[in-house]
Amino acid sequence: AQSVTQPDIHITVSEGASLELRCNYSYGATPYLFWYVQSPGQGLQLLLKYFSGDTLVQGIKGFEAEFKRSQSSFNLRKPSVHWSDAAEYFCAVGDGNQFYFGTGTSLTVIP
Amino acid sequence: DAGVTQSPTHLIKTRGQHVTLRCSPISGHKSVSWYQQVLGQGPQFIFQYYEKEERGRGNFPDRFSARQFPNYSSELNVNALLLGDSALYLCASSLGPSAENTQYFGPGTRLTVL
Repeated sequence: AQSVTQPDIHITVSEGASLELRCNYSYGATPYLFWYVQSPGQGLQLLLKYFSGDTLVQGIKGFEAEFKRSQSSFNLRKPSVHWSDAAEYFCAVGDGNQFYFGTGTSLTVIP
Repeated sequence: DAGVTQSPTHLIKTRGQHVTLRCSPISGHKSVSWYQQVLGQGPQFIFQYYEKEERGRGNFPDRFSARQFPNYSSELNVNALLLGDSALYLCASSLGPSAENTQYFGPGTRLTVL
């Protein structure tokens, strides 16, 4: 069965520091991979997605993610975090007509 | 263009009651999916509808049902509510049913069961 693991429940970074959020997936074929962000009390906003091709994908708000097949990973990165990036981040795998989400990583940004 | 809209925003029910949640997809989107997000967890897939037909169902009891209307809007119904049904219910719309179609999420309906 497909599964998504986000090993870090909570991460705290200083404003201006770099960020990497980890995501590992379990899937037999080449997956459709997504990162979403959720602000408190809000729905999910798509940051970026990977279907095929270049393994480094660029998203909105300065985020990028790298697909590494050998590690079954799709980690999200940002070179310089802003206070407004504080939110919950979800990695997801698309399979057929279903999406499987990880449990999320909560990001706190300190000034 | 308007995004995905959901109503109501918040809802309080008591155990054993019935609830209906509504979702209007982005214009042009024919697929609607429903997710349950329990506090502190990621969204869990409940249903997907495409062209008014059920295309997928997650691991939820028969108390959960849904339908899609000719205008592609959708309703999620939950019967015999349990305390454990308290969650944020998210609706997502997409152009088509398969995974390569990006899902766009609404703000959710917060259901509290007392």
